[in-house]
Amino acid sequence: GQQLNQSPQSMFIQEGEDVSMNCTSSSIFNTWLWYKQDPGEGPVLLIALYKAGELTSNGRLTAQFGITRKDSFLNISASIPSDVGIYFCAGQMGNSGNTPLVFGKGTRLSVIA
Amino acid sequence: NAGVTQTPKFRVLKTGQSMTLLCAQDMNHEYMYWYRQDPGMGLRLIHYSVGEGTTAKGEVPDGYNVSRLKKQNFLLGLESAAPSQTSVYFCASRTGPGELFFGEGSRLTVL
Repeated sequence: GQQLNQSPQSMFIQEGEDVSMNCTSSSIFNTWLWYKQDPGEGPVLLIALYKAGELTSNGRLTAQFGITRKDSFLNISASIPSDVGIYFCAGQMGNSGNTPLVFGKGTRLSVIA
Repeated sequence: NAGVTQTPKFRVLKTGQSMTLLCAQDMNHEYMYWYRQDPGMGLRLIHYSVGEGTTAKGEVPDGYNVSRLKKQNFLLGLESAAPSQTSVYFCASRTGPGELFFGEGSRLTVL
């Protein structure tokens, strides 16, 4: 099946540092989504991107839809302890809900106070 | 607003036993999905449904069956559980090609 390459797999950072993670694919996507999963819970949507080149912010989080439509980036500024969790990227090929999302394997973020 | 609800939250099975996981959504979503999550593997799609009465195979469908008899419910069945099916299972739903809403997960252990 389709693969999304998400990196890094894990990160250990100091509180207050900025974080950057990305996803790349060999295929073109029409939508990029970024999710966060807290321990013991289901993933929750952080940011959705629908247009190539789009840059969208949600508080301290900023995500970009790559111009080539084959990649996306998520940045977290001034990290805090509650940022701990697993971050997933997901891509949608085509414009139909009949095609399932493709997920990256996740970036596990640990924040050291 | 309950969103996506999964039952049970936890279950322990012996090898060879059968069980059914129930997913219910109250958002009138057309599309529903079952994923499994294993360490280092991310979310892998088991089966999905694009509408009431329809089902389709995902990336890892072997050993599982599903049914979507009602629009709001999506059932995942294990006919003969194996230790390799020990995992956390997530149900999700959406209305179209955009955002996916997840349940809280069901943790299954097969001994």
